[in-house]
Amino acid sequence: QVQLVQSGAEVKKPGASVRVSCKASGYTFTGYYMHWVRQAPGQGLEWMGWIYPNNGATTYAQKFQGRVTMTSDTSITTAYMELSRLRSDDTAVYYCAKVSAGVVAFDYWGQGTLVTVSS
Amino acid sequence: QSVLTQPPSASGTPGQRVTISCSGSSSDIGSNAVNWYQQLPGTAPKLLIYSNNQRPSGVPDRFSGSKSGTSASLAISGLQSEDEADYYCAAWDDSLHGFYVFGTGTKVTVL
Repeated sequence: QVQLVQSGAEVKKPGASVRVSCKASGYTFTGYYMHWVRQAPGQGLEWMGWIYPNNGATTYAQKFQGRVTMTSDTSITTAYMELSRLRSDDTAVYYCAKVSAGVVAFDYWGQGTLVTVSS
Repeated sequence: QSVLTQPPSASGTPGQRVTISCSGSSSDIGSNAVNWYQQLPGTAPKLLIYSNNQRPSGVPDRFSGSKSGTSASLAISGLQSEDEADYYCAAWDDSLHGFYVFGTGTKVTVL
């Protein structure tokens, strides 16, 4: 069965960087785009970008360009999202989400990783 | 980047039908398929409807989706207590280099 297991909660100071991992299993990792979505406390969902593990291609939301880097390691079927120059408004739950076959819809989600940015 | 517009809340009694609207533009809903996600409290979102009106395996047929022009809607018929959740519409947007856009979210309360 498909599983996306994310790394644990993080507490960071403003200006620092954070890297969240997403370990995939149960499907062909290189065959599907992986997206990242975040949700600030009490707020809605916000798309951050995607990575195609097959070739490492990425696309980032305009809002995060210059601060976000998405990578993947196919040998351990893991995707990563690194966000730099953290601010307090980056406090959120970060999700990885796998795209379904043939449609741009997220059929499997990680459990989420809470990143808290506080001095 | 824009978001899709949803009403902040909707409610109904058990057994009733509830409808949630989702308004977009020509570059998102007008050009691409709409998906709907359900988010129960404290959990990750779950895909509820894809490609405007398709249900993934395991989603009850009480949930249905439709799309017309630059708007879409989700209907929940025979409302049940376990349907109390946040619901988000979403679609790909073809503008700029392309991006995924979510709706503002609708909290459904079962009275």
